[in-house]
Amino acid sequence: EIVMTQSPATLSVSPGERATLSCRASQSVRSNLAWYQQKPGQAPRLLIFDASTRATGIPARFSGSGSGTEFTLTISSLQSEDFAVYYCQQYNNWSPLTFGGGTKVEIK
Amino acid sequence: EVQLVESGGGLVKPGGSLRLSCAASGFTFSNYNMNWVRQAPGKGLEWVSSISSSSSYIKYADSVKGLFTISRDNAKDSLYLQMNSLRAEDTAVYYCARASGGNSGFDYWGQGTLVTVSS
Repeated sequence: EIVMTQSPATLSVSPGERATLSCRASQSVRSNLAWYQQKPGQAPRLLIFDASTRATGIPARFSGSGSGTEFTLTISSLQSEDFAVYYCQQYNNWSPLTFGGGTKVEIK
Repeated sequence: EVQLVESGGGLVKPGGSLRLSCAASGFTFSNYNMNWVRQAPGKGLEWVSSISSSSSYIKYADSVKGLFTISRDNAKDSLYLQMNSLRAEDTAVYYCARASGGNSGFDYWGQGTLVTVSS
């Protein structure tokens, strides 16, 4: 099983600041990585796929980078609606598909 | 507009069974692989099962293998999850999710249905 480790668990950021979230895979997943945003009481929303491609309708302030085992999600200037939990997911190996434990981005 | 609507959740006793459904609309259901993902209260996301567009390819998480069965009816635009021998640790919100066209992540999710396993 590919284990996905996200850090930090909680990130405190002021509105307008940059947020950098990390995701590490226990073995290479090439670029087969997605990022999701989840707000309380809502379903997850796909932000980034293939490590760096924004999904339809996702603002340009969200960007993804990395390949292999190290990945980063950057939110360039946090807006109030961006405070949420973010998950990474690898789909290089579907047996099983695995998610990271999540990073909560909270208001500083 | 793509919509996924889950139903069938509820309170069930340990050892009981439940069948979840996911009604799809707004896209050609038979062209897409589909998935179930769950989230225990206050916890992260856990992939449960996947089924290919023609049902020829099915995968399960080890935690549910032999207990849960995923299926689909392309004529009814519907996805199902039959859950047997339920345990307290199966308590979660269950989401159905569409795999994107290139199987690059899950691009649409339902609102989820809560399954509570308790005596």
